[in-house]
Amino acid sequence: EIVLTQSPATLSLSPGERATLSCRASQSVSSYLAWYQQKPGQAPRLLISDASNRATGIPARFSGSGSGTDFTLTISSLEPEDFAVYYCQQRTNWPPTFGGGTKVEIK
Amino acid sequence: EVQLLESGGGLVQPGGSLRLSCAASGFTFSTYAMSWVRQAPGKGLEWVSAISSSGDRTYYADSVKGRFTISRDNSKNTVYLQMTSLRADDTAVYLCAKSSLGDRCSSSGSCYGDYWGQGTLVTVSS
Repeated sequence: EIVLTQSPATLSLSPGERATLSCRASQSVSSYLAWYQQKPGQAPRLLISDASNRATGIPARFSGSGSGTDFTLTISSLEPEDFAVYYCQQRTNWPPTFGGGTKVEIK
Repeated sequence: EVQLLESGGGLVQPGGSLRLSCAASGFTFSTYAMSWVRQAPGKGLEWVSAISSSGDRTYYADSVKGRFTISRDNSKNTVYLQMTSLRADDTAVYLCAKSSLGDRCSSSGSCYGDYWGQGTLVTVSS
């Protein structure tokens, strides 16, 4: 099973700042990595698939990069609605696995 | 508009059984792989099971293999999760997810979820 490690666990930032979230895989997942946003009491929302492809309706301030074992989600300028928990997920093989999450909180 | 509505959760004793349902609408259900993902209270996400569009391929996490069975009824646009021999560590919100890749991920079972239901809570406790 592929283990995904996200860092940092918590990111304290102010609206308007840039957020950089990291996801590292225990072995190569090629580009088969997605990012999700989850707010309390809500289902996950797909942001990015295949490392860098924004999902339908996702604002351009969200971008993903990386391949192999190291991936980054960047939020270029935080909006109030972006404060949430973010998960990465790989689909290279079964089972799909998620990282432990990064909480982006208001500083 | 894509909608996924889970039902069937509740309180069950250890060793008991439950059947979860996920009713889908707003897309051609029979052409998409579907999955169940769970989230224990205050914890992260765990992919539990997946099923191909036709139902001929199913996949299970090791933690539920032999206890859970995924199935679907394409005539009813519904995917099911039959859960038996439930344990306390099965306590979680169970969410169904639609594959973002149609059925193209069915060969491995590993998909992305582009639409999710709100989930149904399963509590295993005596």
